[in-house]
Amino acid sequence: DVKVTQSSRYLVKRTGEKVFLECVQDMDHENMFWYRQDPGLGLRLIYFSYDVKMKEKGDIPEGYSVSREKKERFSLILESASTNQTSMYLCASSPFSSITDTQYFGPGTRLTVL
Amino acid sequence: AQKITQTQPGMFVQEKEAVTLDCTYDTSDPSYGLFWYKQPSSGEMIFLIYQGSYDQQNATEGRYSLNFQKARKSANLVISASQLGDSAMYFCAMRAILTGGGNKLTFGTGTQLKVEL
Repeated sequence: DVKVTQSSRYLVKRTGEKVFLECVQDMDHENMFWYRQDPGLGLRLIYFSYDVKMKEKGDIPEGYSVSREKKERFSLILESASTNQTSMYLCASSPFSSITDTQYFGPGTRLTVL
Repeated sequence: AQKITQTQPGMFVQEKEAVTLDCTYDTSDPSYGLFWYKQPSSGEMIFLIYQGSYDQQNATEGRYSLNFQKARKSANLVISASQLGDSAMYFCAMRAILTGGGNKLTFGTGTQLKVEL
């Protein structure tokens, strides 16, 4: 079974703090993704990576950065957390580009910024 | 650009009844895939079913089937014989190879399904 793990299920941070969200997958997938989920807005793509050290902006990259130093690990960084970044963050991975390939999701991190 | 529309924010269904969750999509890409995911209150996203744009038959997976109407650009999820454990948020998503960035999924806003006794 594919397993995607995220470092925390719940996280509370203060405005201005630097926040790291970690995601690890164990299936040697090339692609990794970070989404945020907000009520009424569905899932929105923040960043994705299709290879080590490669990254591409998604639909809402502002205020976020990412790092992929190893194939299995994809980190989302909030350089200076703000209250409007309070959200559920979901990490996903998938094998390289086949249209039929689903993405496999981690359990999510519910981040609250005070 | 790709777009997925789910117009039902919430749905109720009686146990053992069938329910249809609506999904319409918009893309100019001739080749695309459509996915449905279930998200229980615990938060994890569970893949349910996939339909390819060139598939001749509607996809089925156990109690889940996809009513794919290509000309209408709709990909509705049908859950037969609903169970209490089907209560969850359901998301429709699309991947378009040529115009959608290849690897990316575009999600709808979701439908919250509640199964009642």
